[in-house]
Amino acid sequence: QKEVEQNSGPLSVPEGAIASLNCTYSDRVSQSFFWYRQYSGKSPELIMSIYSNGDKEDGRFTAQLNKASQYVSLLIRDSQPSDSATYLCAVENMDSNYQLIWGAGTKLIIKP
Amino acid sequence: GAVVSQHPSWVICKSGTSVKIECRSLDFQATTMFWYRQFPKQSLMLMATSNEGSKATYEQGVEKDKFLINHASLTLSTLTVTSAHPEDSSFYICSAGFRVFGGNTIYFGEGSWLTVV
Repeated sequence: QKEVEQNSGPLSVPEGAIASLNCTYSDRVSQSFFWYRQYSGKSPELIMSIYSNGDKEDGRFTAQLNKASQYVSLLIRDSQPSDSATYLCAVENMDSNYQLIWGAGTKLIIKP
Repeated sequence: GAVVSQHPSWVICKSGTSVKIECRSLDFQATTMFWYRQFPKQSLMLMATSNEGSKATYEQGVEKDKFLINHASLTLSTLTVTSAHPEDSSFYICSAGFRVFGGNTIYFGEGSWLTVV
């Protein structure tokens, strides 16, 4: 069974610090990897997508992918209270285009 | 701006009635869309895969006669909750994706809150 694993947290980080979120996946042939942010009562919002090994940066967010280790991470620099949310790691199911395999989500709390 | 749009955002209906939720892909064609349900403080639960021009594929435990899905065009999928009951009250979310350089990207609609009274 294909799985995506995340630490459910909560992860508490001081304002201005770097928040580091991690995720592992089981399907070695996976190609597309995503980080979504979900605020309470809202739908998931795509933060980062990454497809090849290495780092991908977008503003304060950096996604890191290591296919050999089957590991995806998300770094949030200069964390702000507004970053407090649940962060969902997802991997595209290679057997079904556009279908996602989800991690349980990590609740991130940024303390002012 | 929104890539996937849902309507309505909020709906209240009486027990026993039916309610329809629309999911539209904006500026791209989606042969496949997905419908999720999420109860408060719980994880997203995939309900079904909506396939343009063919029958939807439902996840185990989801009643296909209760949750009717119609994907009549490449930009519109609808979820109809039939004979709604209070236990159907939930947050319903759709997703759709398209190809980009390097892989696929997948977006979610804003979600629809359903309250059955």
